[in-house]
Amino acid sequence: DAKTTQPPSMDCAEGRAANLPCNHSTISGNEYVYWYRQIHSQGPQYIIHGLKNNETNEMASLIITEDRKSSTLILPHATLRDTAVYYCIVGYGNKLVFGAGTILRVKS
Amino acid sequence: EPEVTQTPSHQVTQMGQEVILRCVPISNHLYFYWYRQILGQKVEFLVSFYNNEISEKSEIFDDQFSVERPDGSNFTLKIRSTKLEDSAMYFCASGTSGRSSYEQYFGPGTRLTVT
Repeated sequence: DAKTTQPPSMDCAEGRAANLPCNHSTISGNEYVYWYRQIHSQGPQYIIHGLKNNETNEMASLIITEDRKSSTLILPHATLRDTAVYYCIVGYGNKLVFGAGTILRVKS
Repeated sequence: EPEVTQTPSHQVTQMGQEVILRCVPISNHLYFYWYRQILGQKVEFLVSFYNNEISEKSEIFDDQFSVERPDGSNFTLKIRSTKLEDSAMYFCASGTSGRSSYEQYFGPGTRLTVT
């Protein structure tokens, strides 16, 4: 599975968009990009996934660059409840390999 | 909304004892997983299970660990002889797809403390 690089932490003002970057320069053609988050010590929560095209759901948008070497998760209107660790995971298969993720702090 | 449930929420056991952690996956899911997270560390994959057999396991999942789906609803993780280093949060997850498993739904976890 390809390795990912994420900033260790980010701050975002409540109500503003949170843009979380992820580099995955060694991604291969059949590997998907998944985003999960973990709020405090709860179980990880699936957010969104994509292969090549940009994706949007009720939680977030995923923007994948044309060369697929990086992606950005966008939370359009961050709330205090979005404070969590966000994980970018790349792979093809049913084993999720979690890194350290990005700690997103949403501040009022 | 359907969710994965886990029991107990917290288990304290003495070193060398056997523990069984229980999970009820989402009812129409066919793929089941266990992960663990030692305090302050990353979430680590342990094992995946499909069609009543293990489909993949990590190096952590040694002979002390076993999984079972004893009936149509429960999915269990057994640790035969617990060690201090088994203390962690154990998460069960389930999903509908295997090879391209986009979405895994995690339970709230069982905190295992080995003394």
